[in-house]
Amino acid sequence: DAKTTQPPSMDCAEGRAANLPCNHSTISGNEYVYWYRQIHSQGPQYIIHGLKNNETNEMASLIITEDRKSSTLILPHATLRDTAVYYCIVRVATSGTYKYIFGTGTRLKVLA
Amino acid sequence: GAVVSQHPSRVICKSGTSVKIECRSLDFQATTMFWYRQFPKQSLMLMATSNEGSKATYEQGVEKDKFLINHASLTLSTLTVTSAHPEDSSFYICSARKGLAGGPYQETQYFGPGTRLLVL
Repeated sequence: DAKTTQPPSMDCAEGRAANLPCNHSTISGNEYVYWYRQIHSQGPQYIIHGLKNNETNEMASLIITEDRKSSTLILPHATLRDTAVYYCIVRVATSGTYKYIFGTGTRLKVLA
Repeated sequence: GAVVSQHPSRVICKSGTSVKIECRSLDFQATTMFWYRQFPKQSLMLMATSNEGSKATYEQGVEKDKFLINHASLTLSTLTVTSAHPEDSSFYICSARKGLAGGPYQETQYFGPGTRLLVL
């Protein structure tokens, strides 16, 4: 089972910030939170990941709560091309590596 | 960068035939690759973990004799769907694990564009 829970869908007006929440209450102390998005009929695209400090890159910002039980992905100025399914992932250790278990994600629709 | 390619992007085959899908990491070496399957309007489901030079590890419920995985080099993994049937029609996606300087806790998976398989 996925170790994260996300709202199934969200709408956001074009040009406004999109804030996508994720709960990961069972995350271990040294495990990172990863965010990907999947635009229709494409493979998932890596966005950002973080451990406990807030992170920012050219695509998005990631805010992780102090207790690390939840995080929020922020797209500062959403565009129509940001319409996608966004996945928050905490990896699962297995046989010497880590695997991703995808949850249902949040379907973000950016409205003109 | 971290680019992963898949070939073919889409394939149509007759029931009973076998189909091979290739996954390549173009600008990095990947000791581990992963294969996923995605049905319409559903999330990605991990099928197997592919390790270079060793046998793949399959998830529960995935038939290893039907979905043959070979990871012969650090940049190539192949998935062969044997004796394909209409219920195998799906979107198959691979990913490659790229290590980062921060160690294993920062390893990140990069995904290919996917292969759409239609079995008639």
